[in-house]
Amino acid sequence: DAGVTQSPTHLIKTRGQQVTLRCSPKSGHDTVSWYQQALGQGPQFIFQYYEEEERQRGNFPDRFSGHQFPNYSSELNVNALLLGDSALYLCASSLTGRGTQYFGPGTRLTVL
Amino acid sequence: AQSVTQLDSQVPVFEEAPVELRCNYSSSVSVYLFWYVQYPNQGLQLLLKYLSGSTLVESINGFEAEFNKSQTSFHLRKPSVHISDTAEYFCAVSGGGAGGTSYGKLTFGQGTILTVHP
Repeated sequence: DAGVTQSPTHLIKTRGQQVTLRCSPKSGHDTVSWYQQALGQGPQFIFQYYEEEERQRGNFPDRFSGHQFPNYSSELNVNALLLGDSALYLCASSLTGRGTQYFGPGTRLTVL
Repeated sequence: AQSVTQLDSQVPVFEEAPVELRCNYSSSVSVYLFWYVQYPNQGLQLLLKYLSGSTLVESINGFEAEFNKSQTSFHLRKPSVHISDTAEYFCAVSGGGAGGTSYGKLTFGQGTILTVHP
C-alpha cells in the first residue's frame, strides 16, 4: 500500500518565478492538505482540498493556489516567488470522516 | 482559534533514561491531539493520536501520551529512550471539521528536538 508521495524532492527557483508541486494521496484517501514548514519551525497549514474544491484555507496570500484532480491527487502552485517562500512543503492525506492525516516526504523549495 | 505550545525546544538525554516532551494546547472546541516525529530531511510520521476514549494512548515503539483536559496538556513520555529516538517531535491539535467531513487543519507546535546521547 503506497503512502503519500510528492514530487519533486528538491526544487531551486529564483525570485519572481512560479512553481508547481505535486502530491498523490495514500490509497483510499480523498482529502489533501498542504503545509509549509520553514526552517526550524512547525508546519503551517496552507489549505485543504476535498471533492476538487478548496474547503479550508490558512493565512497565506493568494499567490498560493491549488487544485485537486478527480483521482484525488493535488497540486500546489506558488506565483511570484519570494525569498521567504523557501521551505519544506508537506502534503498530507486523510479519509473523510476519519481525519488522521498522513504526510508525504515533502518538497524542499529553495528560492534564490 | 487553536494554538499549541511545546515547552521545550531541545531535550538532551542519555540512552535508557526516561524522557517527557511537554505539550499544552488552547482551544475553544473539543480537540483531537497528535504527536508526529520528523527525522532529518524527512516528512512527518504519525507517532500516536488521541481522538476519544481512553486518555492514555500508546505507540508501537514504547511512547505514550496522556490527554489531560483540565490541564489542557498532551505530554509525550517514554520510560527508556534509544539512540534511534533522536529526532524532532511535533505536537498538533485539530478540531472538528466543517460539515463533519474531516477533522480539518492541524495546528502544530514549534517542535522539540530530542537528542539521545550514548
